[in-house]
Amino acid sequence: DIQMTQSPSSLSASVGDRVTITCRASQSIRTSLNWYQQKPGKAPKFLIYAASSLQSGVPSRFTGSGSGTDFTLTISSLQPEDFATYYCQQSYSTPKTFGQGTKLEIK
Amino acid sequence: QVQLVQSGAEVKKPGASVKVSCKASGYIFTTYYIHWVRQGPGQSLEWMGWINPANGNTRYSQKFQGRVTITRDTSASTGYMELNSLRSEDTALYYCARERVVAGGELLDPWGQGTLVTVSS
Repeated sequence: DIQMTQSPSSLSASVGDRVTITCRASQSIRTSLNWYQQKPGKAPKFLIYAASSLQSGVPSRFTGSGSGTDFTLTISSLQPEDFATYYCQQSYSTPKTFGQGTKLEIK
Repeated sequence: QVQLVQSGAEVKKPGASVKVSCKASGYIFTTYYIHWVRQGPGQSLEWMGWINPANGNTRYSQKFQGRVTITRDTSASTGYMELNSLRSEDTALYYCARERVVAGGELLDPWGQGTLVTVSS
Protein backbone atom coordinates (compact mmCIF):
# COMPACT_ATOMS: atom_id res chain seq x y z
CA ASP A 1 0.00 0.00 0.00
CA ILE A 2 1.13 3.56 -0.68
CA GLN A 3 1.59 5.53 2.54
CA MET A 4 0.72 9.24 2.55
CA THR A 5 2.41 11.43 5.14
CA GLN A 6 1.27 14.99 5.77
CA SER A 7 3.06 17.70 7.66
CA PRO A 8 2.49 19.46 9.86
CA SER A 9 -0.29 17.59 11.66
CA SER A 10 -1.55 20.91 13.00
CA LEU A 11 -0.92 24.52 12.17
CA SER A 12 -1.88 27.74 13.90
CA ALA A 13 -2.19 30.83 11.69
CA SER A 14 -3.94 34.17 11.39
CA VAL A 15 -6.36 35.57 8.83
CA GLY A 16 -4.33 36.89 5.92
CA ASP A 17 -1.38 34.54 6.47
CA ARG A 18 0.07 32.36 3.75
CA VAL A 19 0.30 28.70 4.75
CA THR A 20 1.70 25.59 3.12
CA ILE A 21 0.82 21.97 3.86
CA THR A 22 3.05 19.17 2.62
CA CYS A 23 2.08 15.65 1.56
CA ARG A 24 4.62 12.94 0.79
CA ALA A 25 3.91 9.60 -0.86
CA SER A 26 5.92 6.46 -0.06
CA GLN A 27 6.42 5.87 -3.81
CA SER A 28 5.83 7.84 -6.97
CA ILE A 29 2.19 8.57 -7.70
CA ARG A 30 2.92 10.89 -10.65
CA THR A 31 0.30 13.62 -10.22
CA SER A 32 -2.52 11.40 -8.94
CA LEU A 33 -3.03 13.46 -5.80
CA ASN A 34 -6.23 15.03 -4.49
CA TRP A 35 -6.82 17.49 -1.65
CA TYR A 36 -9.96 17.61 0.50
CA GLN A 37 -11.16 20.06 3.13
CA GLN A 38 -13.23 18.90 6.11
CA LYS A 39 -14.99 21.11 8.64
CA PRO A 40 -16.22 19.80 11.99
CA GLY A 41 -19.34 17.66 11.68
CA LYS A 42 -19.25 17.76 7.88
CA ALA A 43 -18.25 15.38 5.12
CA PRO A 44 -15.00 16.08 3.28
CA LYS A 45 -15.23 18.48 0.38
CA PHE A 46 -13.07 18.05 -2.69
CA LEU A 47 -10.74 20.98 -3.52
CA ILE A 48 -7.96 20.02 -5.91
CA TYR A 49 -7.35 17.07 -8.27
CA ALA A 50 -4.36 15.88 -10.27
CA ALA A 51 -2.09 17.72 -7.83
CA SER A 52 -2.80 21.21 -9.15
CA SER A 53 -6.23 21.49 -10.80
CA LEU A 54 -8.79 23.44 -8.83
CA GLN A 55 -12.35 22.21 -8.52
CA SER A 56 -14.80 24.66 -10.03
CA GLY A 57 -15.83 27.21 -7.42
CA VAL A 58 -12.76 26.79 -5.21
CA PRO A 59 -11.15 30.20 -4.56
CA SER A 60 -7.93 30.94 -6.41
CA ARG A 61 -6.09 31.51 -3.11
CA PHE A 62 -5.79 27.70 -3.01
CA THR A 63 -2.98 26.26 -5.10
CA GLY A 64 -1.62 22.76 -5.36
CA SER A 65 1.69 21.65 -6.76
CA GLY A 66 4.06 18.71 -6.96
CA SER A 67 4.60 15.42 -8.71
CA GLY A 68 6.17 12.08 -7.99
CA THR A 69 6.32 11.82 -4.21
CA ASP A 70 6.21 15.42 -2.92
CA PHE A 71 3.19 17.68 -3.00
CA THR A 72 2.07 20.94 -1.42
CA LEU A 73 -1.18 22.77 -0.79
CA THR A 74 -0.78 26.51 -0.33
CA ILE A 75 -3.40 28.99 0.81
CA SER A 76 -2.15 32.42 -0.15
CA SER A 77 -4.21 34.60 2.20
CA LEU A 78 -6.18 32.76 4.86
CA GLN A 79 -9.84 33.60 5.24
CA PRO A 80 -11.98 32.72 8.28
CA GLU A 81 -13.78 29.99 6.34
CA ASP A 82 -10.47 28.22 5.55
CA PHE A 83 -9.91 27.02 9.11
CA ALA A 84 -10.53 23.29 8.77
CA THR A 85 -8.71 19.98 8.42
CA TYR A 86 -7.07 19.19 5.08
CA TYR A 87 -6.39 15.72 3.72
CA CYS A 88 -4.39 14.55 0.75
CA GLN A 89 -5.35 11.33 -1.04
CA GLN A 90 -3.57 9.35 -3.72
CA SER A 91 -5.67 7.98 -6.56
CA TYR A 92 -2.75 6.20 -8.27
CA SER A 93 -3.45 2.74 -6.92
CA THR A 94 -5.76 0.74 -4.68
CA PRO A 95 -6.19 1.16 -1.73
CA LYS A 96 -6.81 4.89 -2.26
CA THR A 97 -4.95 6.00 0.84
CA PHE A 98 -5.32 9.32 2.65
CA GLY A 99 -2.84 11.34 4.65
CA GLN A 100 -3.39 11.69 8.38
CA GLY A 101 -4.69 15.23 7.99
CA THR A 102 -3.52 18.75 8.83
CA LYS A 103 -5.69 20.74 11.22
CA LEU A 104 -5.52 24.46 10.47
CA GLU A 105 -6.46 26.53 13.51
CA ILE A 106 -6.89 30.21 14.18
CA LYS A 107 -4.03 31.81 16.09
CA GLN B 1 -28.19 18.44 -8.10
CA VAL B 2 -26.07 15.38 -7.47
CA GLN B 3 -26.71 14.07 -3.98
CA LEU B 4 -25.93 11.02 -1.88
CA VAL B 5 -28.15 10.44 1.14
CA GLN B 6 -27.17 7.81 3.67
CA SER B 7 -29.17 5.84 6.22
CA GLY B 8 -29.33 6.76 9.87
CA ALA B 9 -27.08 6.03 12.82
CA GLU B 10 -26.71 2.47 14.09
CA VAL B 11 -25.74 0.96 17.43
CA LYS B 12 -24.50 -2.61 17.30
CA LYS B 13 -23.06 -5.16 19.67
CA PRO B 14 -19.64 -6.71 19.10
CA GLY B 15 -19.85 -9.60 16.66
CA ALA B 16 -22.93 -8.25 14.91
CA SER B 17 -23.23 -6.91 11.35
CA VAL B 18 -24.29 -3.52 10.04
CA LYS B 19 -25.58 -2.52 6.62
CA VAL B 20 -25.45 1.14 5.57
CA SER B 21 -27.29 2.46 2.53
CA CYS B 22 -26.44 5.33 0.18
CA LYS B 23 -29.18 6.62 -2.12
CA ALA B 24 -28.04 8.55 -5.17
CA SER B 25 -30.00 11.21 -7.02
CA GLY B 26 -29.37 13.82 -9.70
CA TYR B 27 -27.42 11.59 -12.08
CA ILE B 28 -27.52 8.18 -13.76
CA PHE B 29 -26.58 5.80 -10.95
CA THR B 30 -24.88 3.21 -13.15
CA THR B 31 -22.41 5.63 -14.72
CA TYR B 32 -20.22 6.39 -11.68
CA TYR B 33 -18.44 4.15 -9.19
CA ILE B 34 -19.40 4.48 -5.52
CA HIS B 35 -16.67 4.34 -2.86
CA TRP B 36 -16.93 3.79 0.89
CA VAL B 37 -14.63 5.60 3.33
CA ARG B 38 -14.71 5.56 7.11
CA GLN B 39 -13.45 7.93 9.80
CA GLY B 40 -12.90 6.86 13.38
CA PRO B 41 -13.33 9.38 16.22
CA GLY B 42 -10.69 12.08 15.80
CA GLN B 43 -8.98 10.05 13.10
CA SER B 44 -8.16 10.33 9.43
CA LEU B 45 -10.06 8.91 6.48
CA GLU B 46 -9.75 5.22 5.63
CA TRP B 47 -10.72 3.91 2.21
CA MET B 48 -12.71 0.66 2.33
CA GLY B 49 -13.66 -0.21 -1.23
CA TRP B 50 -15.70 0.59 -4.33
CA ILE B 51 -18.43 -0.82 -6.50
CA ASN B 52 -19.14 -0.36 -10.18
CA PRO B 53 -22.95 0.00 -10.15
CA ALA B 54 -23.16 -0.94 -13.84
CA ASN B 55 -22.09 -4.53 -13.29
CA GLY B 56 -21.66 -5.00 -9.54
CA ASN B 57 -17.89 -5.46 -9.69
CA THR B 58 -16.18 -4.57 -6.44
CA ARG B 59 -12.71 -3.92 -5.05
CA TYR B 60 -11.92 -3.91 -1.34
CA SER B 61 -9.07 -2.76 0.84
CA GLN B 62 -7.07 -5.76 2.02
CA LYS B 63 -7.69 -4.59 5.58
CA PHE B 64 -11.43 -5.26 5.25
CA GLN B 65 -11.32 -8.20 2.83
CA GLY B 66 -13.59 -10.97 4.09
CA ARG B 67 -15.50 -8.68 6.44
CA VAL B 68 -16.98 -6.09 4.10
CA THR B 69 -19.47 -6.53 1.27
CA ILE B 70 -20.46 -3.68 -1.03
CA THR B 71 -23.57 -4.14 -3.15
CA ARG B 72 -26.05 -2.07 -5.10
CA ASP B 73 -29.68 -2.02 -6.18
CA THR B 74 -29.84 -0.28 -9.54
CA SER B 75 -33.65 -0.09 -9.46
CA ALA B 76 -33.38 2.00 -6.29
CA SER B 77 -30.21 3.90 -7.25
CA THR B 78 -28.81 2.79 -3.92
CA GLY B 79 -25.50 1.40 -2.79
CA TYR B 80 -24.91 -0.63 0.35
CA MET B 81 -21.95 -1.39 2.59
CA GLU B 82 -22.20 -4.30 5.01
CA LEU B 83 -19.54 -4.89 7.65
CA ASN B 84 -19.50 -8.12 9.63
CA SER B 85 -17.97 -9.33 12.88
CA LEU B 86 -18.05 -5.82 14.32
CA ARG B 87 -15.63 -4.84 17.05
CA SER B 88 -15.22 -1.66 19.08
CA GLU B 89 -12.55 -0.38 16.66
CA ASP B 90 -15.20 -0.27 13.93
CA THR B 91 -16.96 2.60 15.71
CA ALA B 92 -16.75 5.33 13.08
CA LEU B 93 -18.52 7.58 10.63
CA TYR B 94 -19.04 5.72 7.37
CA TYR B 95 -19.24 7.76 4.17
CA CYS B 96 -20.19 6.90 0.63
CA ALA B 97 -18.81 9.05 -2.18
CA ARG B 98 -19.16 9.16 -5.94
CA GLU B 99 -16.08 8.74 -8.06
CA ARG B 100 -15.30 11.12 -10.89
CA VAL B 101 -12.60 10.16 -13.37
CA VAL B 102 -10.29 13.02 -14.32
CA ALA B 103 -7.03 13.32 -16.21
CA GLY B 104 -4.42 11.73 -13.98
CA GLY B 105 -6.69 9.76 -11.71
CA GLU B 106 -10.04 10.02 -10.02
CA LEU B 107 -11.58 11.98 -7.18
CA LEU B 108 -14.45 11.58 -4.75
CA ASP B 109 -17.23 14.12 -5.17
CA PRO B 110 -19.80 14.48 -3.76
CA TRP B 111 -19.89 12.65 -0.44
CA GLY B 112 -22.85 11.43 1.56
CA GLN B 113 -23.55 13.01 4.92
CA GLY B 114 -22.05 10.08 6.81
CA THR B 115 -23.58 7.35 8.97
CA LEU B 116 -22.38 6.90 12.54
CA VAL B 117 -21.93 3.27 13.52
CA THR B 118 -21.31 2.66 17.21
CA VAL B 119 -20.15 -0.75 18.39
CA SER B 120 -20.68 -1.25 22.08
CA SER B 121 -21.67 -4.03 24.42
